Amino acid sequence: KQEVTQIPAALSVPEGENLVLNCSFTDSAIYNLQWFRQDPGKGLTSLLLIQSSQREQTSGRLNASLDKSSGRSTLYIAASQPGDSATYLCAVRGAGANNLFFGTGTRLTVIP
Amino acid sequence: GAGVSQSPSNKVTEKGKDVELRCDPISGHTALYWYRQSLGQGLEFLIYFQGNSAPDKSGLPSDRFSAERTGGSVSTLTIQRTQQEDSAVYLCASTLDGGTDTQYFGPGTRLTVL
Repeated sequence: KQEVTQIPAALSVPEGENLVLNCSFTDSAIYNLQWFRQDPGKGLTSLLLIQSSQREQTSGRLNASLDKSSGRSTLYIAASQPGDSATYLCAVRGAGANNLFFGTGTRLTVIP
Repeated sequence: GAGVSQSPSNKVTEKGKDVELRCDPISGHTALYWYRQSLGQGLEFLIYFQGNSAPDKSGLPSDRFSAERTGGSVSTLTIQRTQQEDSAVYLCASTLDGGTDTQYFGPGTRLTVL
């Protein structure tokens, strides 16, 4: 069974810093990897989707990379803002699976 | 619709009662997923619907859980004889065709079993 791990579990940074969130998965046979953010009491908002054939995806201040062979992905957030404070979830869709396997998330706090 | 909607947003019930949770996917999306998010745990897959195909029920934790999707659109997740361990946020997601597309999530239903 696919296991997804996110490190660190929580991160606190001052506003303006660049930061990296890490995600690792045990089975490299994946269709895609998706990063989400979840605000307290809310559902998930999709940030970036990387297909298994891709190495990275960018959206605004966000950049996600994928190294399928080593089972790793990173989410880079540039020039962090207080509005970036949320829990960030990494999820992979395994080859042959219908569903996403989620990590337990990194809770990010950006201090003004 | 503009996004995935779920109702109710909150549900408090007594142990042993049955509950029904509703999900309205994005219009035109053929694939629909149910997940459960328990306190301190990650999201757990429950069930998947794709078009008219038989659903993938591999994530349902017990036979007290069932789900249906009528007319290829709205889905209802039913939990019979609720237990306290069923307390969680139940999230619904949809995708355009269930392939490698982005999954769009609803706001969830917070279920509390007393």
